[in-house]
Formats: sequence, structure tokens, C-alpha cells
Amino acid sequence: DADVTQTPRNRITKTGKRIMLECSQTKGHDRMYWYRQDPGLGLRLIYYSFDVKDINKGEISDGYSVSRQAQAKFSLSLESAIPNQTALYFCATTRNNEQFFGPGTRLTVL
Amino acid sequence: RKEVEQDPGPFNVPEGATVAFNCTYSNSASQSFFWYRQDCRKEPKLLMSVYSSGNEDGRFTAQLNRASQYISLLIRDSKLSDSATYLCVVNREAAGNKLTFGGGTRVLVKP
Repeated sequence: DADVTQTPRNRITKTGKRIMLECSQTKGHDRMYWYRQDPGLGLRLIYYSFDVKDINKGEISDGYSVSRQAQAKFSLSLESAIPNQTALYFCATTRNNEQFFGPGTRLTVL
Repeated sequence: RKEVEQDPGPFNVPEGATVAFNCTYSNSASQSFFWYRQDCRKEPKLLMSVYSSGNEDGRFTAQLNRASQYISLLIRDSKLSDSATYLCVVNREAAGNKLTFGGGTRVLVKP
């Protein structure tokens, strides 16, 4: 079984819709992250959390929100999706500077 | 200027050949360095950490040049399975131990 899972794996939605991407991990790590990946731009950090009571903005948090429901769960929401949020989204956990990524969610906003 | 920059490639490499590419970073306070590998439409996975003295893992050799602020990755005896995108990653404790990723260098190994 995968240590970091993401749901859904693929999603097509329309402009203005609210979308939630979910991430779960069985690694027992405290630190969790959400990234988006766009061609040629690498991974950019959206939000991160060092424990259940700690939420921090990354470099591109506008238009996104997160919830850390438990140590193992970290969800990302797009309150009102727009086309430039079309991207590949990765959740990750980290220990000792090594990041463990989920399989990604491919989101398309029409 | 991006904090971490890489040549996007692709580097077209004959099977069995050696390929090397660099990554430059702009913040001299960067402390930890890594290479991640990403296959098409898959998640990135840690390939190797990069140490000041340089380090080797099988056919892969990583080097760090702090004076010129770049790291390098060399792949010897390239295999078809080495075809992937290689991401350069930099960490600064002062930035809350957040990792900063380069855009990736694509390597295509051909028979």
C-alpha cells in the first residue's frame, strides 16, 4: 500500500466550482505539504503544516485554503476554481529533509 | 531570477554514454542539496543527497560547488531506464526547512 495517497487522481471541473483535494499518509510524519507543478516551473509550494495546529502559507497560497484534520490528513481546497489553477497537485510528507510524495492529482479547470 | 535554475533539456544520450548537467542556486545561505528523479506523470522521488565532498551512488555522482553556487549530477553508462526528469532541490533552515525545486532537466536515453 502507498504511504501517501491522494484523492481524486484526476478531476475536471468548471470555473467557479469549489474543489477539495485530499491527502492521507501512513508514515506518521508531522510535516505535510501541498505543491502544484506546471510545465517548466517545477514544484511550487502552496501550503505546509508542521503539525495539526500549525498551518503556513507557501509561495502561491492565493486562491487556496487547507485543513489539517489530523496528523495523517491534509486537504487542499479551491474555493472558486479558475482556469489558471489547472495543474498537477502533489501532497508530500517529510522527514530528515527527504520528501515523500503522493501520486498526484491532475486538475483541469474549464 | 529563480532561486534554483536548471537547463530544461532534453539531453539526448546514447545508451552507455555519460551525461552530466548542473543546477545553479541563488541563495548562498542554502544548506542542503538533493537530486530527485521524476518519471513522466509520476511523483518525484529522492535520487540522492549532495554532500560538500561529493558523493557517488552506483552510476550516479553528485557534486557541490559552494563558491560558484551550483550542484551537478553525472550519470555514467546510461541505461534506457535513466530516462526521466531530474529535479534539483535546495533547502535553507532559515526558510523553515522548506525545499525549493528547480524546473527539472529532462534526460532521454536512446538505444
